[in-house]
Amino acid sequence: EVQLVQSGAEVKKPGESLKISCKVSGYSFTSYWIGWVRQMPGKGLEWMGVLHDGDSDSRYSPSFQGQVTISGDKSISTAYLQWSSLKASDTAIYFCARHIPVGPAVINDYWGQGTLVTVSS
Amino acid sequence: QSALTQPASVSGSPGQSITISCTGTSSDVGGYNYVSWYQQHPDKAPKLIIYNVKSRPSGVSSRFSGSKSGNTASLIISGLQAEDEAEYYCCSYTSSNALVLFGGGTKLTVL
Repeated sequence: EVQLVQSGAEVKKPGESLKISCKVSGYSFTSYWIGWVRQMPGKGLEWMGVLHDGDSDSRYSPSFQGQVTISGDKSISTAYLQWSSLKASDTAIYFCARHIPVGPAVINDYWGQGTLVTVSS
Repeated sequence: QSALTQPASVSGSPGQSITISCTGTSSDVGGYNYVSWYQQHPDKAPKLIIYNVKSRPSGVSSRFSGSKSGNTASLIISGLQAEDEAEYYCCSYTSSNALVLFGGGTKLTVL
């Protein structure tokens, strides 16, 4: 059974750093891409970026380029989303999702349960 | 980059059919057959219900179908059921640097 299990909710102060995780099971971590999607409170879904093939290069939406870092550790089948200096506007639920490449596009077929990140002074 | 355009809300009675539209441009919806749809119930993760405009993943009800004409894709839900009440998001490949573009979401209310 394919599963993506994300780390628990976080409460941080502005300026702090944070790294949240997404551990996959039920398939080979390096066979598919893993991406991240943001959902701000009461708002829609925003695609942030994707990690290719487990721990190689990442690709970011222009809206998130330079704001976050996506990485992975294929030895433990885990992808990460990282901030070096959080802002209050980073308060949101963050979902990881398996990305299946289809031509130039991707299909997000399995999703994690979401990680709530709250940034408040 | 702007999100794809969806109506904020639609409603229908049990048993009826409804259509949710998703309008983009020739750089995304209109240019490629890579439109997908996601269903999201409150406090839950999104669930893939349609991909590549009209294909359904295994296990998704045949009451859900998709189509596309020009720059507008559509999700059709037939035989509405109470459990269909949720938020629905369209998603498309985009030839811009973003790769993936979501719509703003449509709240479906089953009356």
